[in-house]
Parts: sequence; C-alpha cells; structure tokens
Amino acid sequence: RKEVEQDPGPFNVPEGATVAFNCTYSNSASQSFFWYRQDCRKEPKLLMSVYSSGNEDGRFTAQLNRASQYISLLIRDSKLSDSATYLCVATKGAGSYQLTFGKGTKLSVIP
Amino acid sequence: DGGITQSPKYLFRKEGQNVTLSCEQNLNHDAMYWYRQDPGQGLRLIYYSQIVNDFQKGDIAEGYSVSREKKESFPLTVTSAQKNPTAFYLCASSKRAGGVYEQYFGPGTRLTVT
Repeated sequence: RKEVEQDPGPFNVPEGATVAFNCTYSNSASQSFFWYRQDCRKEPKLLMSVYSSGNEDGRFTAQLNRASQYISLLIRDSKLSDSATYLCVATKGAGSYQLTFGKGTKLSVIP
Repeated sequence: DGGITQSPKYLFRKEGQNVTLSCEQNLNHDAMYWYRQDPGQGLRLIYYSQIVNDFQKGDIAEGYSVSREKKESFPLTVTSAQKNPTAFYLCASSKRAGGVYEQYFGPGTRLTVT
C-alpha cells in the first residue's frame, strides 16, 4: 500500500463550484499533515497545515480523520487561479522530520 | 526578502560527469532537504540535514552526495553513479518548531543528462 494515496484526477470544475479532494495515509504514527499546491513546472507551495480539529483558511477547509487515516481538502467558490495540482503530505512517523508526498490531484477550473 | 534560492534553473550535462546543484536559504531554518520529482511521480527524499555538519540519507540517496558546512547552504552533487539523473530537483527547508514541520521549497533545478 502506498504511504499517501490520492486520486490523480483530473478534476475539471466550473468557476464557482465547490470541489473536494481526498487522501489516505498508511502510517498510523504520522503526526502532521499538510496540503501543498504545485503549479505546472513550479515548486510546491504550502497551502495549509491540517489540524485534528479541522481548519479553514478563506475558501479552503482541511479535515483530518485519524481513525480512518483520511485527509480532505474542500475548495469553495473555485477560481481560475485555483487550477493546479494539490499534494497531500504526511510526516513519516512520530517526531519525524521526513515528509511523504502523495502524487497529487490535478484540478482545472474552467471559465 | 527571505527565501530559498536554487541555481541554476536549468542544467545540462553529459553522462559520466558529476554536477553540483546549489541551495541557499536565508530563513534561519535549521533543517534542509533535497527531493527529486519525476513526471507523474510524488516527491522523493534524497538527503536531509537537521543541523550543520550532519545529514542523513533519504529514500533514494544512491548516486548522490551532500554537505552541510554552513546553516544557509546545502549543495547536492549528482554523481556519475546515479543511473537516471534527469529530473526536477527541489531543495526545501524547515524551522524546527513544535511538532509541525512545514517545509518551504526553492524554485528547483531541472537537470538533463544526455
């Protein structure tokens, strides 16, 4: 089983739509989780950390379900500028510096 | 402005040559990392360093070497022993703070070996 699994997409959604991405992780000892976005041929950029209680940053909401080892990202009111690949990331284990990256989910927001 | 710089952006080398990729950060971060990304693949960790003069192998260290003589700098050498060196190389850093280790990336170096 892959350490972090994501649906590769692509998700093609109209502007203004709400879209949700899911991700599962295999290491139950993983402590920290993140979502990054990566534009084509660019570096990944931190979108948000994911906290146990869930967290929201503007149009973006991240949720963590430790029992199911599942992370989600919800994007409301999609903008054209949201088009990118979204990477789900988990730390390798307790106290680990190492991150495990999913292969990403591609989002295209269509006018 | 604080950030991570990588140079060059594009690098071309002949097979059999060693090449060194530069990574510098002025964020005062303790930890630095090197990843490679291949098309359609997730990032894979090559080496990481938590403090100066110390570094550890990641998942795919064979054919690579690093040094960490200064806090700000973590150069990566791709040796001729690396079988498939053509890739997008990304350097990252993180500030050891609590239990959440957000990593911030440089713009990357695209290496092509022919």
